[in-house]
Amino acid sequence: AQKITQTQPGMFVQEKEAVTLDCTYDTSDPSYGLFWYKQPSSGEMIFLIYQGSYDQQNATEGRYSLNFQKARKSANLVISASQLGDSAMYFCAMTYYNNNDMRFGAGTRLTVKP
Amino acid sequence: KAGVTQTPRYLIKTRGQQVTLSCSPISGHRSVSWYQQTPGQGLQFLFEYFSETQRNKGNFPGRFSGRQFSNSRSEMNVSTLELGDSALYLCASSTGTGGNQETQYFGPGTRLLVL
Repeated sequence: AQKITQTQPGMFVQEKEAVTLDCTYDTSDPSYGLFWYKQPSSGEMIFLIYQGSYDQQNATEGRYSLNFQKARKSANLVISASQLGDSAMYFCAMTYYNNNDMRFGAGTRLTVKP
Repeated sequence: KAGVTQTPRYLIKTRGQQVTLSCSPISGHRSVSWYQQTPGQGLQFLFEYFSETQRNKGNFPGRFSGRQFSNSRSEMNVSTLELGDSALYLCASSTGTGGNQETQYFGPGTRLLVL
């Protein structure tokens, strides 16, 4: 069964420092998509970054980059130069089997300290 | 371009009642997916609608149903509400044509409290 694992329930980072949020996944399907979303306390899920299983290069979007290690089945999110506004829940998610049934990890609560 | 909108934002119901939630996707998006988020179970996929047809379904009882209109707006209905249905219900829209390669964009959610 497809499964997403986020092993860090909570993380703290100092403002302006970089932080890595871990995500591992399990699937036997060769075609899948990996996503990271941010959920502030307001509840809305904000899309951050996407990585396709066949993409050769790691995805980057501004301060966000995805460290994709296919053989290890990991898709860690790296946030550079953390800001106070980055404090939120972060979810790793996966879609597979050519459909939109998105599976989510349990999430990591990131707190940025001033 | 306007984002995904959901109404209402907050709802309080009592056990046994039914509720209808609405979702308007991003203009041009034809797929709408619904998710339930609870502290205990996390985020779970309910179903997806594409071109007015249910294309995928998660593992939820038949009390949870949905539909999609010709303008791609979608509604979700929960009948005979139970206390455990209290949750944040999120809808997400996408073009619907990219399979697992396409990004889903989420609305602000509807917080349902069942008393």
